[in-house]
Amino acid sequence: QVQLQESGPGLVKPSETLSLTCAVSGYSISSGYFWGWIRQPPGKGLEWIGSIYHGGRTHYNPSLKSRVTMSVDTSKDQFSLRLTSVTAADSAVYYCATDPTGLDYFDSWGQGTLVTVSS
Amino acid sequence: EIVLTQSPGTLSLSPGERATLSCRASQSVSRGYLAWYQQEPGQAPRLLIYGASSRATGIPDRFSGSGSGTDFTLTISRLEPEDFAVYYCQQYGSSPGTFGQGTKVEIK
Repeated sequence: QVQLQESGPGLVKPSETLSLTCAVSGYSISSGYFWGWIRQPPGKGLEWIGSIYHGGRTHYNPSLKSRVTMSVDTSKDQFSLRLTSVTAADSAVYYCATDPTGLDYFDSWGQGTLVTVSS
Repeated sequence: EIVLTQSPGTLSLSPGERATLSCRASQSVSRGYLAWYQQEPGQAPRLLIYGASSRATGIPDRFSGSGSGTDFTLTISRLEPEDFAVYYCQQYGSSPGTFGQGTKVEIK
């Protein structure tokens, strides 16, 4: 059973860069599979941020594409999210998740980490 | 992008009753690529249904999904206490994948 755990700063200043990591256990990233990030502003719905495939190919939501970078570190069994030039609108719970087929639906999720953008 | 509209916003029912949740898409969802998730307060979403009607691993058979094109339904045949939660639909047939705004199933 794959387990996921997000980590990163809980507070980011406006205009700075949000960086999060998702540690994967129970599975080796280098074996394949697909990985995604989804966010949820407090009290609101879900938004797909993007996905990265085991070969490193990425696929981003066009609404965030200019600010998003995802990467995989197979040596550490983790993948990462960077979101630049953040504003208060980027405040949300950020989830990492597994995508079993590369079709961008998600069958295992991390517990989520709250990121607040504030000075 | 495809907009998903879920109805009703809130469904008030008693344990043992049947719940019917609707998800309507602004355009046809390619190949029936629609998923349903359950989210309890303070928890991550849990995948219930994918491909409109296939139950995810470990999901009880009281949960069923149906539909095609622009109209999809999640049915919970007999509500258990742990089923009172928020439910989201997601289409992944067209990029970007999008979610509905959610339906809250609350205890009447």
